[in-house]
Amino acid sequence: AQSVTQLGSHVSVSEGALVLLRCNYSSSVPPYLFWYVQYPNQGLQLLLKYTSAATLVKGINGFEAEFKKSETSFHLTKPSAHMSDAAEYFCAVSKASGTYKYIFGTGTRLKVLA
Amino acid sequence: DAGVIQSPRHEVTEMGQEVTLRCKPISGHDYLFWYRQTMMRGLELLIYFNNNVPIDDSGMPEDRFSAKMPNASFSTLKIQPSEPRDSAVYFCASSFPGTADADTQYFGPGTRLTVL
Repeated sequence: AQSVTQLGSHVSVSEGALVLLRCNYSSSVPPYLFWYVQYPNQGLQLLLKYTSAATLVKGINGFEAEFKKSETSFHLTKPSAHMSDAAEYFCAVSKASGTYKYIFGTGTRLKVLA
Repeated sequence: DAGVIQSPRHEVTEMGQEVTLRCKPISGHDYLFWYRQTMMRGLELLIYFNNNVPIDDSGMPEDRFSAKMPNASFSTLKIQPSEPRDSAVYFCASSFPGTADADTQYFGPGTRLTVL
């Protein structure tokens, strides 16, 4: 069975500081991995995804994530936080084929301090 | 493209009433997903369709919930009768796995349901 664990339900960083949001997964098959962002009162927007190509994936708004099979991790990073990055971030895993269901993590709410 | 469209955006109803949520997926997408989001349970997949056929409804909480997809451009999620514990944000998402964009789900803005 697949699962996703996001460490830290709330993360606070200062504006300009590094953003690091953690995601660990378990999967018996090569996974597809996703990061979504949800701004207040909005739907989920895709930030980036890993689908077995390059292990370092670049997404929108300056975010990137690295797939590390040995650590079963897919952490999301951004070198310099901006006030507009304040939102909730969700990591998700799906199987590479056969089903397109996502398993979502519980989410991490990012707060950016001025 | 207009993206996934959901209506209404907000719904307030009284316990016992029937509630119908609507979703129009992105044109050409053949997978449609219904999710529920609450503070307590996070994001839950309720049901998903492929080519208008329900594939997995194991997340539907109970018989009060039903979903249909009469055609490729429209789906409904119905709750009858509604209860206060059904209060949540309901999202619809669609995807088209047959492309390089395989597995990416595109989400609608959600319907915030409040059952009094």
